[in-house]
Amino acid sequence: EVQLVESGGGLVQPGGSLRLSCAASGFTFRNYWMHWVRQAPGKGLEWVSRINSDGRDTTYADSVKGRFTTSRDNANNTVFLQMNNLRPEDTAVYYCATVMVTSLDHWGQGTLVTVSS
Amino acid sequence: AIQMTQSPPSLSASVGDRVTITCRASQGITNELNWYQQKPGKAPQLLIYEASSLQSGVPSRFSGSGFGTDFTLTISSLQPEDFATYYCLQDYDYLYTFGQGTKLEIK
Repeated sequence: EVQLVESGGGLVQPGGSLRLSCAASGFTFRNYWMHWVRQAPGKGLEWVSRINSDGRDTTYADSVKGRFTTSRDNANNTVFLQMNNLRPEDTAVYYCATVMVTSLDHWGQGTLVTVSS
Repeated sequence: AIQMTQSPPSLSASVGDRVTITCRASQGITNELNWYQQKPGKAPQLLIYEASSLQSGVPSRFSGSGFGTDFTLTISSLQPEDFATYYCLQDYDYLYTFGQGTKLEIK
């Protein structure tokens, strides 16, 4: 069974940093692209970033480009989202997701990031 | 980035009703359009991929159509468990974008 488990969320002050992790199991992690999607409280979904299977190719939404970095550790089946210079508008539940067969067809349960002083 | 305009933002309907939600892309995206259902406190679940293909395990009352810029999600006969928020997602462009969502509420 495919499982994605996010961790690392919490409360951080504006301008601070946080690193999220997403542990994957139940599939051959190194073969699949991974994505991050976020959802601000009471708001819609926003695609954040993706990373290809070997970690050499990343893409970011304009809203996070230059502040967020996605990486992966294929030996430990984990993808990361390093978030720097955080802003209050980055407050959201962050989901990792993957494309097993089509689109974003498997998602984690999400981890909440709150940016506030 | 491609903009996705989803309508209506909210919709009230009754069990047994037929409902349609639309999504319009700011440029052509062929059939690279997907539909998701999200219930409160849960991750989104894929319903329809490539505009009209039903994801495994999704009831056949859900259907999708469209190509290019205009797409629809139809629920043929609403069931109590269908009251949720629905999102479209384009994955044609390397920058994915979601629609704003449609909250489907019980009338």
